[in-house]
Amino acid sequence: QKEVEQDPGPLSVPEGAIVSLNCTYSNSAFQYFMWYRQYSRKGPELLMYTYSSGNKEDGRFTAQVDKSSKYISLFIRDSQPSDSATYLCAMIGTGTASKLTFGTGTRLQVTL
Amino acid sequence: DADVTQTPRNRITKTGKRIMLECSQTKGHDRMYWYRQDPGLGLRLIYYSFDVKDINKGEISDGYSVSRQAQAKFSLSLESAIPNQTALYFCATSDPGTHYMNTEAFFGQGTRLTVV
Repeated sequence: QKEVEQDPGPLSVPEGAIVSLNCTYSNSAFQYFMWYRQYSRKGPELLMYTYSSGNKEDGRFTAQVDKSSKYISLFIRDSQPSDSATYLCAMIGTGTASKLTFGTGTRLQVTL
Repeated sequence: DADVTQTPRNRITKTGKRIMLECSQTKGHDRMYWYRQDPGLGLRLIYYSFDVKDINKGEISDGYSVSRQAQAKFSLSLESAIPNQTALYFCATSDPGTHYMNTEAFFGQGTRLTVV
């Protein structure tokens, strides 16, 4: 079983929709949670990060972490065609979780 | 110029050939990484280096070797390429800064390698 599981999609939504992207993980030592966005033919870029449980908002993007359920989410409000990309969750912690570990990525397509 | 530069961007090579992928960075970071990305498998860590004298195997290091020539340069070699090493390869750097887990990774543009 992978340490980090992520639905690969693809996920297709109309412009303006609310998008929910999710990851689950098994290692309770993860403490620092990130979302990367990867456009086609590019390297991933950090979108948001959250330390421990809770919510963090940045414009149209909200990251949520529920450590009790080992579940993290990224919400995109008012989705735009420019949001079309692959979204990868990533996490790191201490001890057995001390290396940055990525999910497989979810491909998102926002249509006009 | 990009902060993390990978060369070549694309390469086709034959089975059994030795090939080197190069990475250089201008961010001044000590930590450098090599990942491969395959459809449905995400980013998998091949090797990582926390400084010039510290090199560590990742989860899929078999068939690969690395060299950290300087703080800014980290090369990945395939000693004898095989078709299942066909993938998109990324180099990345990070700097923990004041928070040891603040590991924002900065990625290069990737090298698309095809082994035939």
